[in-house]
Amino acid sequence: NAGVMQNPRHLVRRRGQEARLRCSPMKGHSHVYWYRQLPEEGLKFMVYLQKENIIDESGMPKERFSAEFPKEGPSILRIQQVVRGDSAAYFCASSPTDRRYGYTFGSGTRLTVV
Amino acid sequence: KNQVEQSPQSLIILEGKNCTLQCNYTVSPFSNLRWYKQDTGRGPVSLTIMTFSENTKSNGRYTATLDADTKQSSLHITASQLSDSASYICVVRLWPNTGTASKLTFGTGTRLQVTL
Repeated sequence: NAGVMQNPRHLVRRRGQEARLRCSPMKGHSHVYWYRQLPEEGLKFMVYLQKENIIDESGMPKERFSAEFPKEGPSILRIQQVVRGDSAAYFCASSPTDRRYGYTFGSGTRLTVV
Repeated sequence: KNQVEQSPQSLIILEGKNCTLQCNYTVSPFSNLRWYKQDTGRGPVSLTIMTFSENTKSNGRYTATLDADTKQSSLHITASQLSDSASYICVVRLWPNTGTASKLTFGTGTRLQVTL
């Protein structure tokens, strides 16, 4: 069981470019969550997805950010036209159907916008 | 506003010593409280999870306590090791438990450094 896999681990983008962050949940987990962690701050919820469905996107910025979790393949967090303020660590977590058993986090993708 | 505050912000202790980290929350209604350990450059890893009715829970050298009346929790680390150096994050979940993921509130963590 490889755990929650995120790639890339580090991503550098110039302002205005697009960033694509990938997350493969643990085997058997059907729920995926994306969190953002700014320096010196706690994790902030962004979006919660199940296969082919966005369940809760109340933490997503209204513009430039989108997420998907297709039937096949990893979940993708997409940031268009990145700005310096997007620089952060983006963590993905997954859980089985019964969320009482908690979340397993990936190692994160560190996005740096230059 | 639902908040989770942790103290101290950072802590340095000698290897082998014990320490206690604090978490105060205003999240209401409360469902459960979790402590995570986050190594530098890694994702958080769950240490304990406690519901309203649980006062204490242990995981090896880690013991978490919960006082739901005063809305306080602590994480006690016994006989610290160099590998305990990490951030420890307190996370509180709103009731009802079957709600969406946005009902988790994360503290900013306590940075623990264990030295020789």
